[in-house]
Amino acid sequence: QQPVQSPQAVILREGEDAVINCSSSKALYSVHWYRQKHGEAPVFLMILLKGGEQKGHEKISASFNEKKQQSSLYLTASQLSYSGTYFCGTGGSGGATNKLIFGTGTLLAVQP
Amino acid sequence: GAVVSQHPSRVICKSGTSVKIECRSLDFQATTMFWYRQFPKKSLMLMATSNEGSKATYEQGVEKDKFLINHASLTLSTLTVTSAHPEDSSFYICSASLRGVTDTQYFGPGTRLTVL
Repeated sequence: QQPVQSPQAVILREGEDAVINCSSSKALYSVHWYRQKHGEAPVFLMILLKGGEQKGHEKISASFNEKKQQSSLYLTASQLSYSGTYFCGTGGSGGATNKLIFGTGTLLAVQP
Repeated sequence: GAVVSQHPSRVICKSGTSVKIECRSLDFQATTMFWYRQFPKKSLMLMATSNEGSKATYEQGVEKDKFLINHASLTLSTLTVTSAHPEDSSFYICSASLRGVTDTQYFGPGTRLTVL
């Protein structure tokens, strides 16, 4: 089942903050966050493995809730370079193929 | 580090022909490679998972006889779209991962396939 992301799209002015949510109907082994610019490959941002984990670098951070069914990506003081489509990729039991199922995506546009 | 390349980046072919797309991990050995398909403004849909030296595992609804995957070495996987038709036109992206604690996937730049 494909994880659902919200919002579907968001437009920001430079310097504003945004939160992107990724929800699953079942517990997840891991959550991976990627950003994809138009016509390019997704770029890995970060991974969360443990319930309750929070992780971040520079002005982009993420959390993974205790029940491991939801993750949020936080973008603070957004820059023009943050524009793109953000996907969460969710891992299952982690036992077999380590495959990811990608969420519905969130289009972020940062304007000057 | 963790660079993945794809070739070609763009291909246009006639209906009925076959197209081969290569995916290479340039600076690491990938135990697993994945093939995705992405339609405009849509998410990445996993097509298949391939492990070096074994048969690929296809996702439900993906025709394994149409999308042939070969994972000949730890750095190379190929996807062949056989008897391509216009509905196969899409953006095909591969990723490679090194099994471990994080299983992070590193993506290639993608291949834009247009079938006329």
